[in-house]
Amino acid sequence: GQSLEQPSEVTAVEGAIVQINCTYQTSGFYGLSWYQQHDGGAPTFLSYNALDGLEETGRFSSFLSRSDSYGYLLLQELQMKDSASYFCAVPSGNTGKLIFGQGTTLQVKP
Amino acid sequence: SQTIHQWPATLVQPVGSPLSLECTVEGTSNPNLYWYRQAAGRGLQLLFYSVGIGQISSEVPQNLSASRPQDRQFILSSKKLLLSDSGFYLCAWRGGGITEAFFGQGTRLTVV
Repeated sequence: GQSLEQPSEVTAVEGAIVQINCTYQTSGFYGLSWYQQHDGGAPTFLSYNALDGLEETGRFSSFLSRSDSYGYLLLQELQMKDSASYFCAVPSGNTGKLIFGQGTTLQVKP
Repeated sequence: SQTIHQWPATLVQPVGSPLSLECTVEGTSNPNLYWYRQAAGRGLQLLFYSVGIGQISSEVPQNLSASRPQDRQFILSSKKLLLSDSGFYLCAWRGGGITEAFFGQGTRLTVV
């Protein structure tokens, strides 16, 4: 079957760096994505990794290691507005199915 | 540009009543369409997905059903709601070859 594992909660202070890990198990691999969801809102896309290595988009970076079935989202220079839930997601096979991890709630403190 | 519409935003329904949530997508053709449910403080549970008109894949046996009567329309239904059907329902679409999924604003359903 397919599954993704993420920590349930992470706490950090403003200005710090935080890493949110995700390990996955899928039948076939078609990339790892990250989404952000603020309380009460809809998830929004942050990043996508198809190949090993680091992808940088402003303060956010995402890393993938296909051999370890592992990825992480790195948030730098944390701001209060980064307090949200973060989800990793993978397509399952080439059927169109898209599954999400249980999410990591990030709390940024002053 | 592509947009996704989902309504209503909030809904309070009595136990045993029917449900119909609608989602439409504009600006794209033949999208993959998804219904997710999210319990408070929890992850996104995939309920149904569709890769084409009339093609529905169900992920979790439950009290719900989905239909795709048109290319860009996805409907989530129930004949008789249960208390456990309460939650935040999200519709999403993803185009072929596009890695990003776009979500509607969600429907917060409370079954009383």
